[in-house]
Amino acid sequence: DQQVKQNSPSLSVQEGRISILNCDYTNSMFDYFLWYKKYPAEGPTFLISISSIKDKNEDGRFTVFLNKSAKHLSLHIVPSQPGDSAVYFCAASIMDSSYKLIFGSGTRLLVRP
Amino acid sequence: EAGVAQSPRYKIIEKRQSVAFWCNPISGHATLYWYQQILGQGPKLLIQFQNNGVVDDSQLPKDRFSAERLKGVDSTLKIQPAKLEDSAVYLCASSANPGGVTSYNEQFFGPGTRLTVL
Repeated sequence: DQQVKQNSPSLSVQEGRISILNCDYTNSMFDYFLWYKKYPAEGPTFLISISSIKDKNEDGRFTVFLNKSAKHLSLHIVPSQPGDSAVYFCAASIMDSSYKLIFGSGTRLLVRP
Repeated sequence: EAGVAQSPRYKIIEKRQSVAFWCNPISGHATLYWYQQILGQGPKLLIQFQNNGVVDDSQLPKDRFSAERLKGVDSTLKIQPAKLEDSAVYLCASSANPGGVTSYNEQFFGPGTRLTVL
């Protein structure tokens, strides 16, 4: 039962362009969504989050959009840089479920110089 | 501030052998998590501790996996006996106590232990 889905295993973009990573979820009880970034041989690191009561959160080059009616969120990276090349995981949590994070399968982003 | 430490970084064993992983969380973090990440998948929570008590172990295969958190700080995860399908990266994470209704619970991950079962 995959409650959080990332349907694109990989994405390749040119440096300076926009990267858009997508995530779909099925459980309407999720109240927070997070994006984590993972480099090879390292653990995931937190990137940005959004509460379910908001539809947009921005932090520098990173913006997350949430569409609750579609149960869809996306991460926009503008402009993309080669150092952004990594695996990006979407995760969701429910406050009354001990804040457990449920992760998607990840999208590997390659930013070409 | 030191991050989450894990050891060993890599381990190769044969099936039916046993193995143990160690995790030292960020100082002061009350909550500790163990995740299993199989190649091509996202991390899956195995067990969550709050101080030295278990909060959630619903996805821990208890017939072969065990975990403990000594004195509410370090933790060990053990597999006995290992199966081929246990080959994965085992991630430890920690977090401060969850905040109020408008906050989330950011988890800080260690580098993981890559286990290969032959």
